[in-house]
Amino acid sequence: EVQLVESGGGLVQPGGSLRLSCAASGFTFSSYWMHWVRQAPGKGLVWVSRINSDGSSTSYADSVKGRFTISRDNAKNTLYLQMNSLRAEDTAVYYCARDSGHYAPDYWGQGTLVTVSS
Amino acid sequence: QSALTQPPSASGSPGQSVTISCTGTSSDVGGYNYVSWYQQHPGKAPKLMIYEVSKRPSGVPDRFSGSKSGNTASLTVSGLQAEDEADYYCSSYAGSNSYVFGTGTKVTVL
Repeated sequence: EVQLVESGGGLVQPGGSLRLSCAASGFTFSSYWMHWVRQAPGKGLVWVSRINSDGSSTSYADSVKGRFTISRDNAKNTLYLQMNSLRAEDTAVYYCARDSGHYAPDYWGQGTLVTVSS
Repeated sequence: QSALTQPPSASGSPGQSVTISCTGTSSDVGGYNYVSWYQQHPGKAPKLMIYEVSKRPSGVPDRFSGSKSGNTASLTVSGLQAEDEADYYCSSYAGSNSYVFGTGTKVTVL
């Protein structure tokens, strides 16, 4: 069974940093592209970032480019999102998701809440 | 990277059909056959319902179908059931390794 479990969320002050983790199991993690998608409270889904299977290629939404860094450790079956210079508008539930191979995330974690507030 | 446009709400009685539109541009929906649809119940993670415009993952009922014409994609839910009441989001590949989601539609089963 595919499982994705996010962790690392919490309360952080504006301008602060946080690193999210996503532990993957039930599939060959090193074979799949992975995504981060966020959802502000009561709002819609927003794509944040994507990384290819070996970590050599990454892409970001304009709203986080230069502040967030996606990475992965295939030996640990873990996906990361390093978030720096956090702003109030980054407050959201952050989901990690596996790419289906068809330009669409298929399996999603349950999400971790990040709150940026003073 | 503007969000794709969806109607805020849609509704139908049990057994009826409801269709949700998803309008983008030639740079996303119109430019690629990589439109997907997600169902999200309150407090839950999204679930993939349709990928590549009209393909259903294993386990998704055939009551769910997708299509596309130009810059607009559509999701139709036929034979509405109570458990179909949820938020629905479209998504599209937008080129340059980027993706965009729709604004979301709340489907109510009357």
